Amino acid sequence: GENVEQHPSTLSVQEGDSAVIKCTYSDSASNYFPWYKQELGKGPQLIIDIRSNVGEKKDQRIAVTLNKTAKHFSLHITETQPEDSAVYFCAASIKDSGAGSYQLTFGKGTKLSVIP
Amino acid sequence: ETGVTQSPTHLIKTRGQQVTLRCSSQSGHNTVSWYQQALGQGPQFIFQYYREEENGRGNFPPRFSGLQFPNYSSELNVNALELDDSALYLCASSLVYNEQFFGPGTRLTVL
Repeated sequence: GENVEQHPSTLSVQEGDSAVIKCTYSDSASNYFPWYKQELGKGPQLIIDIRSNVGEKKDQRIAVTLNKTAKHFSLHITETQPEDSAVYFCAASIKDSGAGSYQLTFGKGTKLSVIP
Repeated sequence: ETGVTQSPTHLIKTRGQQVTLRCSSQSGHNTVSWYQQALGQGPQFIFQYYREEENGRGNFPPRFSGLQFPNYSSELNVNALELDDSALYLCASSLVYNEQFFGPGTRLTVL
C-alpha cells in the first residue's frame, strides 16, 4: 500500500518568514495530494490540493509543488502569521476507475509554530 | 449549508464494550470516509461508504464496522474495545472523487 513520509516533524519560524514542509510517497499510481491544517481540538481542514496533471498550484500565501518523477510534493507558506500555527498534514491517494472517493494516506504531521 | 457533524464529542468506555459513533455528512455529499487518529499521528483510513455500500477498507479488523443511511449519514461501530482503540475518530464527506471535508471528531477513551 501507499506510504507517505513527512518532514520536518516540527518547524519554528519568525513571523513574516516562509515555511516549507516536504512529503514523499511510495505508490507511483497516486494522483491526488491534499494538504490539511489541524488546530487543537478540531478536525483537519483542507487548505490546498494538487492533482498529478499539474506541477504547482497557488492560493494567496500558500503554494504546493509536485514532482511526480521523484515522488515528492511540498507545501510553501509565505509571509507566515501567528494564526498559521497548527499541525499540517500531507496526504496521497489514487483516483481509479471505480466509484466513491479518495482513500487518503496521511503523513505523520508537522507542527508549525510562528513566533511573533 | 451545514458542515460535517459528529456525535458524541467525547466518549469513555471500558475494554470489551461496544461503541457506536455517528456522522452527518455535508449537504449533498454522497460519500463518507472514516479515519482513526491516534495521539500525535496522522489520520488512518478505516473504511469508506458510497451509496450505502462499503467501498474500500484500510488495515482494520472486522470488529470495526459501519453503515451508511439513505440520507448519507453514517455510523462507525467498534466491538470488543481494546485499549489501543483510544483515539480521535474522524469522518469526512465528499462528492465522488472530490475534496474531503472533515468533521470535528469523536474522542474515544478506552479504560
